[in-house]
Amino acid sequence: EPEVTQTPSHQVTQMGQEVILRCVPISNHLYFYWYRQILGQKVEFLVSFYNNEISEKSEIFDDQFSVERPDGSNFTLKIRSTKLEDSAMYFCASSDPGQGVGYTFGSGTRLTVV
Amino acid sequence: AQKITQTQPGMFVQEKEAVTLDCTYDTSDPSYGLFWYKQPSSGEMIFLIYQGSYDQQNATEGRYSLNFQKARKSANLVISASQLGDSAMYFCAQKKFGNEKLTFGTGTRLTIIP
Repeated sequence: EPEVTQTPSHQVTQMGQEVILRCVPISNHLYFYWYRQILGQKVEFLVSFYNNEISEKSEIFDDQFSVERPDGSNFTLKIRSTKLEDSAMYFCASSDPGQGVGYTFGSGTRLTVV
Repeated sequence: AQKITQTQPGMFVQEKEAVTLDCTYDTSDPSYGLFWYKQPSSGEMIFLIYQGSYDQQNATEGRYSLNFQKARKSANLVISASQLGDSAMYFCAQKKFGNEKLTFGTGTRLTIIP
């Protein structure tokens, strides 16, 4: 079964550093997403990406964050100048527009800012 | 704005019994999709079942079924013959068609007792 792949599974970074979280979405999907889950809380939408541009972003997704699709397979989330409160699980997901089944999440990257 | 409500923060169920996890949603959109995901302690988000707003029949996937009551705006997940491996967090989520992002509820922690 096709899957969304995320690397690394865990990342520890010092406050103020930049991190890049990487994702390989399902190859024939057209929409890509990043979600965040702070420990013990619900999953929150960060950003959606379609046709090589951001289609929607939440209020969480401020200038500290950026996304990129540098080639035909990877989809990255960059967090600049990390803060302690950025510690969370970050999920990448992909989907086919208009499809229900097939909205697939990666296994997540647990980011710890120290 | 879409809102998902899961009123059961935690549930304890005896093994082999059926369990119903509640989910209500609030939307004025005519077209939407409803999802259930399972999140075990390892953290990944596992897709369980999907129901489209225009689907005539309740969705079923193996031991999982979705009790969709459109007029009540509820989409409860039913797990039949629960197993120890069903112990996890369960999240209900909604998608509005044309806007591919998911809005999640706060989740229900299900514990199966042997």
